[in-house]
Amino acid sequence: SAVISQKPSRDICQRGTSLTIQCQVDSQVTMMFWYRQQPGQSLTLIATANQGSEATYESGFVIDKFPISRPNLTFSTLTVSNMSPEDSSIYLCSVEDRLATEAFFGQGTRLTVV
Amino acid sequence: SQKIEQNSEALNIQEGKTATLTCNYTNYSPAYLQWYRQDPGRGPVFLLLIRENEKEKRKERLKVTFDTTLKQSLFHITASQPADSATYLCALDIQGGKLIFGQGTELSVKP
Repeated sequence: SAVISQKPSRDICQRGTSLTIQCQVDSQVTMMFWYRQQPGQSLTLIATANQGSEATYESGFVIDKFPISRPNLTFSTLTVSNMSPEDSSIYLCSVEDRLATEAFFGQGTRLTVV
Repeated sequence: SQKIEQNSEALNIQEGKTATLTCNYTNYSPAYLQWYRQDPGRGPVFLLLIRENEKEKRKERLKVTFDTTLKQSLFHITASQPADSATYLCALDIQGGKLIFGQGTELSVKP
């Protein structure tokens, strides 16, 4: 199993500003995943972060809006840039077990943009 | 594109009854399907995985079935308890660890 610490757990931000979310895992993992969960919706994958290479973004998400860092095998950050109220969501980081058959999630960051 | 749909947004049942949740998918042939539980303000927690060659899997009061012909999975909670109240998500692994989730079914078990 993996234990994921994510922070901040919540924040209220002014539009036009940026927020960086941190994700720390208690073991080394190859891939880390960032998801968004909009109010009342399910999880949508934003990007996959591999250590030592640029993140791979899903359709509808771009690096300029959601820059990701992956400096080592236990840590990643997601920045939500130039925020608007539409960015109000829960953001979650995730890793998988060695067999890629079970995903572990952080507790999420609840972002409100005003 | 891949699409996953779960049954009704909310399911209300009486304590002790069996809850049955449905997950249907299209345009994909997954090697396996997963079920997660999500409580308010928390990230999803893995419950069960069922592979394409498995018809049924059980874990304590949980039972999952997988019909690859119908492209459907059923998730059952027997002898339900108020503590089972949560949102349940099904998910497919579409590529190297990437998961696509259904919209979730909110289960409420009344005492």
